[in-house]
Amino acid sequence: DSGVTQTPKHLITATGQRVTLRCSPRSGDLSVYWYQQSLDQGLQFLIQYYNGEERAKGNILERFSAQQFPDLHSELNLSSLELGDSALYFCASSAPVQETQYFGPGTRLLVL
Amino acid sequence: EDQVTQSPEALRLQEGESSSLNCSYTVSGLRGLFWYRQDPGKGPEFLFTLYSAGEEKEKERLKATLTKKESFLHITAPKPEDSATYLCATGDQAGTALIFGKGTTLSVSS
Repeated sequence: DSGVTQTPKHLITATGQRVTLRCSPRSGDLSVYWYQQSLDQGLQFLIQYYNGEERAKGNILERFSAQQFPDLHSELNLSSLELGDSALYFCASSAPVQETQYFGPGTRLLVL
Repeated sequence: EDQVTQSPEALRLQEGESSSLNCSYTVSGLRGLFWYRQDPGKGPEFLFTLYSAGEEKEKERLKATLTKKESFLHITAPKPEDSATYLCATGDQAGTALIFGKGTTLSVSS
């Protein structure tokens, strides 16, 4: 158990809908990262937050957004969902001045 | 462009048959080389971080080594419970995102 929690574990929804994925980092970690894992693309970095502020963006679509709250939990919002958004979404966290990232169990999203 | 390439894509071993997994990288200013283990449908589990050429780290049957362009994950006398996908990653130049390889899927049969 990495100490990173994610909810829900599974999500099934329809095209065009909007969903919210939630992540709680390990105790003491200030950075939260979001990754998408699909069969053909592997693990791809989406976005990073540090202590409530956006720190870096990767290949994140404009339909996706995220935020980190004062209690350091983070939410990833996915809107106007398409079939191709079906994937595993992982959250990771790291301690200040540490580069090692610890991953949560993931949310499996299926868009029908 | 920073890249991480892992080989082989898949590896089948008999229990006790030692082998190595390869990870080659092209990144300016390495900010850590990371190894993770991932079981199907689960999150990547951290194994090792290496920073300098010549560095080695061990954990049970696994040993990770690092050169200037490659890292190896050596598996000694593997057991069926070592079956998983092993992912290699480097930190990007900004020290934020991890850039992952596609992984090596290891199957160990008894």
